[in-house]
Amino acid sequence: LAKTTQPISMDSYEGQEVNITCSHNNIATNDYITWYQQFPSQGPRFIIQGYKTKVTNEVASLFIPADRKSSTLSLPRVSLSDTAVYYCLVVPYINFNKFYFGSGTKLNVKP
Amino acid sequence: ETGVTQSPTHLIKTRGQQVTLRCSSQSGHNTVSWYQQALGQGPQFIFQYYREEENGRGNFPPRFSGLQFPNYSSELNVNALELDDSALYLCASSQGLAGETGELFFGEGSRLTVL
Repeated sequence: LAKTTQPISMDSYEGQEVNITCSHNNIATNDYITWYQQFPSQGPRFIIQGYKTKVTNEVASLFIPADRKSSTLSLPRVSLSDTAVYYCLVVPYINFNKFYFGSGTKLNVKP
Repeated sequence: ETGVTQSPTHLIKTRGQQVTLRCSSQSGHNTVSWYQQALGQGPQFIFQYYREEENGRGNFPPRFSGLQFPNYSSELNVNALELDDSALYLCASSQGLAGETGELFFGEGSRLTVL
């Protein structure tokens, strides 16, 4: 499993765009990049997954450069309710049975 | 659509005791994974069950064991509890092996405290 490195914590203010970058230097050809969000005392929740370039859904965008050794989760116009831990994962596409979560990035959104 | 449900939500045990945690997978899902999350850490993979068979195991000793039933619900059993077993135990379900979509559906967890 490719290991990931993310900042331990980030601060932001309501209404700002937040970009959380993750490095995954040993990513393999059949690996996808996946992000999860976790609130205290709850299970993680899937945010977005991508393989290359850009993926966008209703809550976030994921930017992946051509070498795929890093990725950036972009959260537009954050609110206080976006305060959570965000995990970057590298997930093999085929016959995968475990996700490696790492320590995640604690995002603190201030009013 | 019913989500992943876990029971009990909280429990307290003493060292050396045994515990069983239960999980009902989301409707239509045939794969269940268990994770242990210590305070301030990310979830750590314990094992996965796919169609009632163990399909991978993390770095946990044999006193952590599990079952998956024909209805795809699952149990996690921990014997000879140690203080370090105190954690939030998370169950996650998916349809097939989740690498295809990257999406695991987690329950709210069972908070185990070992005294």
